[in-house]
Amino acid sequence: DAGVTQSPTHLIKTRGQQVTLRCSPKSGHDTVSWYQQALGQGPQFIFQYYEEEERQRGNFPDRFSGHQFPNYSSELNVNALLLGDSALYLCASSLLRGSQETQYFGPGTRLLVL
Amino acid sequence: AQSVTQPDIHITVSEGASLELRCNYSYGATPYLFWYVQSPGQGLQLLLKYFSGDTLVQGIKGFEAEFKRSQSSFNLRKPSVHWSDAAEYFCAVGAIDTDKLIFGTGTRLQVFP
Repeated sequence: DAGVTQSPTHLIKTRGQQVTLRCSPKSGHDTVSWYQQALGQGPQFIFQYYEEEERQRGNFPDRFSGHQFPNYSSELNVNALLLGDSALYLCASSLLRGSQETQYFGPGTRLLVL
Repeated sequence: AQSVTQPDIHITVSEGASLELRCNYSYGATPYLFWYVQSPGQGLQLLLKYFSGDTLVQGIKGFEAEFKRSQSSFNLRKPSVHWSDAAEYFCAVGAIDTDKLIFGTGTRLQVFP
C-alpha cells in the first residue's frame, strides 16, 4: 500500500516564477492538507482540500492556491515566487475530515527560490 | 490563539539514557495532541497521539507521552534512547473539526554512543 507521494522531490526556481507541486494521498484517503516548513521551523498549515474544495486556509497570501482532483490527488501552486518561499512543502492525507484520523505525511518537496 | 511551545531547541543524550522532550500548548478546549518525528530528508512520522481517556499514551518505537491538563503539557518520554532515535521531534495540537495541525518549532535530538 503506497503511502503519500509527492513530486518533484527538489525544485529550483527564480523570483517571480510560478511553481506547481503535486501530491497523491494514501490509498483510501479523501482529505489533503498542505504545509510549509521553513528551515529550522515547524510545519505551518497552508490549506486543506476535501471534496475538491478548499475547506480551510492558514495565514498565507493568495499567491498560494491549490486544487484537488476527483481521484483525491492535489496540487499546490505558488505564483510570483519570493525568496522567502524557499522551504520544504509537505502534503498530508487523512480519511474523513474532522474525524482526527491519523494524518500521513509525504516526504515533501524542497523548493529553493533564487 | 492556539499555539505549541517546545522550549528545548537541541538536546543531546548518551545512548541508553532516558529522554524527556517538553511540549506546552495553548488551546481553548480539550486538545488533540500529537508527537511526530522527522529524520533528515524525510517527511513526518506519527509517534503517538492523545484524543481522550488515559492521559498516558503509548506510541511506536518505545515512546510514551503524558497529557497534563493542569500544566498544559504533553511531554514525550523514552526510558532508553537508541542511536537511531536521533532526529527532529515535533509536538502538534489538532483542531477538533478540521484536522488542521499546529506545530511547535521542534526539538533536535542528538544521541552520542
